[in-house]
Amino acid sequence: LAKTTQPISMDSYEGQEVNITCSHNNIATNDYITWYQQFPSQGPRFIIQGYKTKVTNEVASLFIPADRKSSTLSLPRVSLSDTAVYYCLVGDTDSNYQLIWGAGTKLIIKP
Amino acid sequence: DAGVIQSPRHEVTEMGQEVTLRCKPISGHNSLFWYRQTMMRGLELLIYFNNNVPIDDSGMPEDRFSAKMPNASFSTLKIQPSEPRDSAVYFCASSRSGGGGEQYFGPGTRLTVT
Repeated sequence: LAKTTQPISMDSYEGQEVNITCSHNNIATNDYITWYQQFPSQGPRFIIQGYKTKVTNEVASLFIPADRKSSTLSLPRVSLSDTAVYYCLVGDTDSNYQLIWGAGTKLIIKP
Repeated sequence: DAGVIQSPRHEVTEMGQEVTLRCKPISGHNSLFWYRQTMMRGLELLIYFNNNVPIDDSGMPEDRFSAKMPNASFSTLKIQPSEPRDSAVYFCASSRSGGGGEQYFGPGTRLTVT
């Protein structure tokens, strides 16, 4: 069974770029990598999804190397409001099998 | 769109009582997920449905837990009898396709069993 591993916590400062890496050594061929953000007392919220190379949207970038055994969520110029828990999820978009959630990374942004 | 709707938002009950949590997924989504979140264990996937059919319930902790999805717009998670260790936030989520696609989470139900 695939397993995802993330750092438990990270600190950074406003205006900095933050990179959070998730390891998923046994990722399957059909699996996508998805990142979610969760604030206290709320459900997780979708940030970005990718399969390989690089994906960018208005809030983040996702870097996936050729072997796909890891992925890095990049948050540019973070602000205090980016303080949250970030989860990576590995799974097939066409089925519900083998959904593997990471334990989450608590990101704290300091002024 | 109202998003995923869960009720109740808060539930306090005594040990041994039956608890029923409810979820209305986003219209048009064909996958539904139930999660449990605690400080100790983090976010745990309990069960997911695809087209109203339970696909995998291996995350359900024990026989005291059961989930149903009688139609595409409603699902329940029942705990009978409840125990203090069941205290957690229970989230329902839905997606257009499989779980690896974008999941939309509800606001959660905070359950406290005394």
